[in-house]
Amino acid sequence: SAVISQKPSRDICQRGTSLTIQCQVDSQVTMMFWYRQQPGQSLTLIATANQGSEATYESGFVIDKFPISRPNLTFSTLTVSNMSPEDSSIYLCSAATGVKGSPLHFGNGTRLTVT
Amino acid sequence: AQSVTQLDSQVPVFEEAPVELRCNYSSSVSVYLFWYVQYPNQGLQLLLKYLSGSTLVKGINGFEAEFNKSQTSFHLRKPSVHISDTAEYFCAVSDSGGYQKVTFGIGTKLQVIP
Repeated sequence: SAVISQKPSRDICQRGTSLTIQCQVDSQVTMMFWYRQQPGQSLTLIATANQGSEATYESGFVIDKFPISRPNLTFSTLTVSNMSPEDSSIYLCSAATGVKGSPLHFGNGTRLTVT
Repeated sequence: AQSVTQLDSQVPVFEEAPVELRCNYSSSVSVYLFWYVQYPNQGLQLLLKYLSGSTLVKGINGFEAEFNKSQTSFHLRKPSVHISDTAEYFCAVSDSGGYQKVTFGIGTKLQVIP
């Protein structure tokens, strides 16, 4: 199974600044995703990171707020831009092989607090 | 589009007692079903999955789940819990018609009481 390293593990940021989260997978995977996990809510898919092209965003998420890069099969970044306290959350990177029924593998997450 | 309902947000249970965490889903097509566990300050790990075949699936750490198509349920069970099972458990569903995005439930916090 894939091992996913995500950093930073946590950060405290000021309103109006941006934070870039990095995700490294130890093997080549077809699919990479970014999720947001807020207390009392289910995991929400932000976007699918596509290698070498623009990410595919879910309803309610836009590229200007959450730009995503995926330069190769094993690495992706998520930037949370112009942060506000409402962006305080856990952000999770996940990956899958793309085979039907294959499970998601997750990083340990980035706990972001915006003050 | 699918949805997942986890009926219990928190479940306290005494050590060595049995536990059932409930999950119901809705979908207009055939689905794959998953249970994930999240320990504090960690990402999610796969406990077990149902793709097809036997409706009773066994996973890691002594957990099992039963797929009930008529009741659209996929409840998770363990006959005897340990302190180390204290964690949050997420039920998830995806369409079976190809690789599709996964929809998660809200999670159930299992608290094992010594």
